[in-house]
Amino acid sequence: AQSVTQLDSQVPVFEEAPVELRCNYSSSVSVYLFWYVQYPNQGLQLLLKYLSGSTLVKGINGFEAEFNKSQTSFHLRKPSVHISDTAEYFCAVTGMGGANNLFFGTGTRLTVIP
Amino acid sequence: NAGVTQTPKFRVLKTGQSMTLLCAQDMNHEYMYWYRQDPGMGLRLIHYSVGEGTTAKGEVPDGYNVSRLKKQNFLLGLESAAPSQTSVYFCASSYRAWAFFGQGTRLTVV
Repeated sequence: AQSVTQLDSQVPVFEEAPVELRCNYSSSVSVYLFWYVQYPNQGLQLLLKYLSGSTLVKGINGFEAEFNKSQTSFHLRKPSVHISDTAEYFCAVTGMGGANNLFFGTGTRLTVIP
Repeated sequence: NAGVTQTPKFRVLKTGQSMTLLCAQDMNHEYMYWYRQDPGMGLRLIHYSVGEGTTAKGEVPDGYNVSRLKKQNFLLGLESAAPSQTSVYFCASSYRAWAFFGQGTRLTVV
């Protein structure tokens, strides 16, 4: 099975500042990696995904993430955040093949301060 | 295109009551999942299905049952609700590891 650790439960950041949300994973097989965003009282929306190829993945809303196999990490970054980025962010992993069960981290609450 | 639809959106149950949550998807996905979301614990997989007529247990299956009689529907049942089952429940369907989520069902057991 796979597991995910999100190292920060809450990240406050000022508007227009850069942000990095950290994610580390554990797996005995090759993986697919995802970041999801959840706005208040809503479901989860896919932000970006790594399936194969380039280790730098670009997603929606100006977010990007870099897959680092040696460090088993998939950190999420944005160079300049907006108030509208305030939300909960979840990192998720699934092993290649099989039922594609997604294993989620415990989430990081990003709060953008005006 | 509705995507993944969950009903109901809110429900309050008394301890010991039963209920069924319905998830419907219109994307013809084979895989469907039920998760529960609790503060500080992320999303945990309850049950999943890899196709019509099949179901399997996830991380936290106790107290829940599921059925997938039709490809587009995945039902989650609580036979005898307990306060520990107070949570937000999310259904998802997936294609090639890309999961689409419903809007969630907020269940309170009193």
